[in-house]
Amino acid sequence: DTEVTQTPKHLVMGMTNKKSLKCEQHMGHRAMYWYKQKAKKPPELMFVYSYEKLSINESVPSRFSPECPNSSLLNLHLHALQPEDSALYLCASSQVKTSGRAGDTGELFFGEGSRLTVL
Amino acid sequence: DAKTTQPNSMESNEEEPVHLPCNHSTISGTDYIHWYRQLPSQGPEYVIHGLTSNVNNRMASLAIAEDRKSSTLILHRATLRDAAVYYCILRGHYNAGNMLTFGGGTRLMVKP
Repeated sequence: DTEVTQTPKHLVMGMTNKKSLKCEQHMGHRAMYWYKQKAKKPPELMFVYSYEKLSINESVPSRFSPECPNSSLLNLHLHALQPEDSALYLCASSQVKTSGRAGDTGELFFGEGSRLTVL
Repeated sequence: DAKTTQPNSMESNEEEPVHLPCNHSTISGTDYIHWYRQLPSQGPEYVIHGLTSNVNNRMASLAIAEDRKSSTLILHRATLRDAAVYYCILRGHYNAGNMLTFGGGTRLMVKP
């Protein structure tokens, strides 16, 4: 199973709502990521989790709150978002470190994303 | 991670080879060259990566210049399904958490 599953696929929320995006993988990966992608732009890294601990936060506003409850799940809690936060939110997973052995690509596996619209 | 430069867009005819260039003049000795692509309405997917030698896999070939300051992704016979944004990314061997930093990418359009 090389899938990263993201739910929901689409989400519309008001600026006062609280919602969550969910991401799940069963590849045994211990690194998980949240990226944000605006239309016609490349993905931008938001958070990195290694061994279920937050290792990188790219100065993301506190209205985005990540959570990694176990090695298979990654959540992104959303609260008091702004219309400019509307975007495609991508989850990815990978090994924490590339071994360097032949055939070990260290690739990131991405989900199809959750498209968020903030009204 | 060092920066890459790619053309914004390229066009190709179906069933013809496509050469997608990438410049990375500030590459360091431990940077791997990775290529990902993003099909419409999907997340990015891994295509190929290399360090110094040219690489082939079932999806594509990667040609790396001798000085490593540029590389070219080669799709041997483009299909309509290859229409996507192709990202050339440098990733340090000791990159914490294996994360990727995406640049602008090249939007490849394939004409029937």
